[in-house]
Order: sequence, then structure tokens, then C-alpha cells
Amino acid sequence: AQSVAQPEDQVNVAEGNPLTVKCTYSVSGNPYLFWYVQYPNRGLQFLLKYITGDNLVKGSYGFEAEFNKSQTSFHLKKPSALVSDSALYFCAVRENTGGFKTIFGAGTRLFVKA
Amino acid sequence: DARVTQTPRHKVTEMGQEVTMRCQPILGHNTVFWYRQTMMQGLELLAYFRNRAPLDDSGMPKDRFSAEMPDATLATLKIQPSEPRDSAVYFCASALGTSNEKLFFGSGTQLSVL
Repeated sequence: AQSVAQPEDQVNVAEGNPLTVKCTYSVSGNPYLFWYVQYPNRGLQFLLKYITGDNLVKGSYGFEAEFNKSQTSFHLKKPSALVSDSALYFCAVRENTGGFKTIFGAGTRLFVKA
Repeated sequence: DARVTQTPRHKVTEMGQEVTMRCQPILGHNTVFWYRQTMMQGLELLAYFRNRAPLDDSGMPKDRFSAEMPDATLATLKIQPSEPRDSAVYFCASALGTSNEKLFFGSGTQLSVL
């Protein structure tokens, strides 16, 4: 069965500093991995995905994520945080066996302080 | 912009009443998901459909919940009878047919069962 762990409920970072939001996953085979962001009273919005190939994936709003197969991790990163990045971030996994079942982590709240 | 439309946005009802939530997926998307978001459980997958056929509803309490797609432009989630523990935000999401595609989320239905 698929599962996703986001070990931090909350991440605090100062504006201008780099940020990392952690994610580890478990699947039977190879994964498709996704990051989504949720702003208050809104649905989730797609940020980026890993399908295959280059382990460093670039996405929207300057975010990137690094796939590490040996550590089964897919951490979200940004070189310089903005106050407007403050939101709830979700990691998600899907097995790349042709199925569509998508499991989300519990979410990590990011606070960027000015 | 194409978007997933959910109605109603908010629903307050009394315990024991029937609740119906509706979702219009993006035109051309043939995979539709229902998720429930609570503070305690995070984002739980309730059910998902492909080409209007249910593929997995193992996350849904079968005794009171039902999900259907009467046609390609409408997905419904019903709760009968509703209970206070059903209070949550219910999200619908849709995706194109290939398994590496991202999900597009609606704005959710905020359900309060008194």
C-alpha cells in the first residue's frame, strides 16, 4: 500500500532564507510524486511532479524538489522564501503501474516571517 | 480558465439529514476523486472514478456514504444519515486519463453537521 509521511507539522523560516519541507514515501514499485499547496479556504494547487528522469524537479513559484530513491524522499525546496509562500503544503504519491490512486501526506504548514 | 466546480460551498445540516455534494469536473477529464479534509486526519481519499466507473471506494464508510457519476459532467457524494463526525471539507478533484497527470481541485464543500 502507498503511504506518505511529512514529519514536520510546521516549518518556520525567515524571508529570504532557504526553505525545505520534508516528505518520505512508501510504494510497492516506482512512484509518481507530487507537491501541492493550499491557501486558506481554497482547494489544493499543483506545484510540481516527479515522473522519471532528472532527480531535481523544478516547479511553480520558484519551488523545486529533489527525488532520492535510496532514501525514498521527495523534499520540497526554495532558495529564498517569501512571506507569500506561507501556506499548507502537501506531498502526494501514486504508483506508476497505471493506476490513479493518489495518497496525500498530512501536510506541513509553512510560516515565512518578514 | 478551466476549473473544477463544487456545490454547495457551505452546508450546515442537522444530524440524521441527507447531504448531497456535487462536483463538475473539468471538461475532458475522465478521472474524478473525492477527498475529505479534517484537522485530525488530514486529506483522506474517499473514492475515485475513471470513465464514470468506481475504481476504489475503500476509504468511504459504506453504510452511510455513496458516490456516483450519473454522467461525465457530474459527480455526487451523498451522506445518509449524516453525523457530527462527518463535519469536514470535502474536495473533488479531476485529472486527465494518463496516470502521471496532476490533479485539479475544486474549492471544496465545507460541511457542518450539528
